[in-house]
Amino acid sequence: EIVMTQSPANLSVSPGERATLSCRASQGVSSNLAWYQQKPGQAPRLLISGASTRTTAFPARFSGSGSGTEFTLTISSLQSEDFAVYYCQQYNSWPLTFGGGTKVEI
Amino acid sequence: EVQLLESGGGLEQPGGSLRLSCAASGFTFSNYAMGWVRQAPGKGLEWVSAISGSGGYTYYADSVQGRSTISRDDAKSTLYLEMNSLRAEDTALYFCAKRSARTSGWFDDWGQGTLVTVSP
Repeated sequence: EIVMTQSPANLSVSPGERATLSCRASQGVSSNLAWYQQKPGQAPRLLISGASTRTTAFPARFSGSGSGTEFTLTISSLQSEDFAVYYCQQYNSWPLTFGGGTKVEI
Repeated sequence: EVQLLESGGGLEQPGGSLRLSCAASGFTFSNYAMGWVRQAPGKGLEWVSAISGSGGYTYYADSVQGRSTISRDDAKSTLYLEMNSLRAEDTALYFCAKRSARTSGWFDDWGQGTLVTVSP
């Protein structure tokens, strides 16, 4: 099983600041990595697929990078609506696995 | 617009069984792999099971392997998850999710979830 490790678990950021979230895979997953955003009481929403392809529902301040075992989600200038929990997930091999999440809070 | 509507959750006894359903609309259901992901209260996301677009391939997490069956009815655009020998640790919000391709890919659409509580 590929273990996905996210860091930090909690990230305190002020609006307008840059946030950098990390995701590490215990084995290489190529670029088969997705990021999801989840707000309280809501279902997760796909944010990024293929490690770096942002969905159209999210603005350009969100960007993803990395391949293999090291991945990064960057939010260039945090807005109030960005405070949420972010999960990475590998879909390179079975079982599919999620990271433990990073909670981005004020 | 893709819509996924889960049902079938509720309070179940340990050792009991349940069947979750997910009614899909807004896309050609048979063309896409589907899956179930759960979230225990206050915890992160855990993948549970997945099925290919053809239904010919099914996959399970170790935590539910042997006591769960995922299936689909393409004529009804509905996904199912049957679970038996329920345990307290199966308590979670169960999300139905659409994958991005017929056999693989990320989860690009999610339902709102159905809550399963396993308790005496």
